[in-house]
Order: sequence, then C-alpha cells, then structure tokens
Amino acid sequence: DGGITQSPKYLFRKEGQNVTLSCEQNLNHDAMYWYRQDPGQGLRLIYYSQIVNDFQKGDIAEGYSVSREKKESFPLTVTSAQKNPTAFYLCASSVGPGPDQPQHFGDGTRLSIL
Amino acid sequence: GENVEQHPSTLSVQEGDSAVIKCTYSDSASNYFPWYKQELGKGPQLIIDIRSNVGEKKDQRIAVTLNKTAKHFSLHITETQPEDSAVYFCAASITGGGADGLTFGKGTHLIIQP
Repeated sequence: DGGITQSPKYLFRKEGQNVTLSCEQNLNHDAMYWYRQDPGQGLRLIYYSQIVNDFQKGDIAEGYSVSREKKESFPLTVTSAQKNPTAFYLCASSVGPGPDQPQHFGDGTRLSIL
Repeated sequence: GENVEQHPSTLSVQEGDSAVIKCTYSDSASNYFPWYKQELGKGPQLIIDIRSNVGEKKDQRIAVTLNKTAKHFSLHITETQPEDSAVYFCAASITGGGADGLTFGKGTHLIIQP
C-alpha cells in the first residue's frame, strides 16, 4: 500500500532541545515538502526538496532544518532556535517538482512543548 | 507573494443541501488551484483541482469553478452527506515560478446537520 508515513504521531519537546520528525514515502515521488499547521490557520511551507541532496527554504524556515539523503526520506529537525514550535506538522510529496503537481499528505505529527 | 482568502470560516448546511466555499487569490500568474479535505487528526486529502485553462471541473457531487478575471474560485458540494463534514482548504500556486509549494487559505469548517 503506497503512501506517506509520518512518525511519531505525537512528540513532546523540552525547552532547548532539538527534535526530529520522520517522513517516509514509498510512492517514488521526487518532490517532498514540510508544512506547519496552527489552529484555525492554513498550512505554511517550511522547506521543500525537488530532488535528492537538494532542498530550499519555504516561507517560515527559521528554526528548522532538513536533509534529503534518500529519495524516500525527508526528516525535519525542529531546533531550539524555533521559539514557538507547538503545531501540527505535515509532510507531503508529489510526483515531480513544480507547484502544480498534486501533493499527497501524511497524517501529521503533533509537537508540543513540555 | 501570493495571498489566498477563503470564506466562510464555518458553514453549516442541512444534509442533502448544497454547500459552496469561495476563495480569492492575489497573484494573477497563479494557474493551479487544488482543494483539500482534512478530517480531524488526519492530513489533508486532495479532492479536486483545476488549472487556469479550464473554467469548471466536476467529479460526481463535487465541482470547482474558476473565474480568472475576478481571481476567484469556488468549491461546490451537492447532495451533502454526513461524511462530508470536515475542514476544507483551497490553495493556489504558479507553474514555473519555482517549486515553492502551495499557498493555502485558512480553511472552512463544513458541518452537515442531520
């Protein structure tokens, strides 16, 4: 069954701690994306990657970092520099690069601060 | 950059009636407009999309219309059913403008009253 798997479903972070959110896809998609969703808000783009070993900042990249060492994996690290990390994080992928390619989403990771 | 406004924020309709959600966008270069449905605790699911060379697209009970001159597009759901209850997001993007993801509206919470 092809799809996007995000883990964990819930994550708690202590002050000053970095945490990494996992995103894996078996759809053989080239492009992958990370979005942040806050209550009552739309999704905002954090980072995106068109191909392996390449990624670009989105609208709200400060305090986040990513890597794209494998086609199927695009982990997101929320660093201690992100002062308001509590949110629902969504990973997506699309067949090819380009914002007009339909994006398929995982079921998200909810991050909270202890 | 692109700005997408979505109305209403909450919409309550009787089961069997129609529902209409409207979005406006600011960048006339936008040419791809997807609609997503998000159920509680899940990631958004693409339900229909339209490109700027088309004025209307239909898929069973769901239709999307696009008015490029006025820069607005709408989602129409006919014969609503309880399973249509969810949050719906519109989005816009520009082909060839760099793969920097979609710009989302803030969402409409659709409630189907039995």
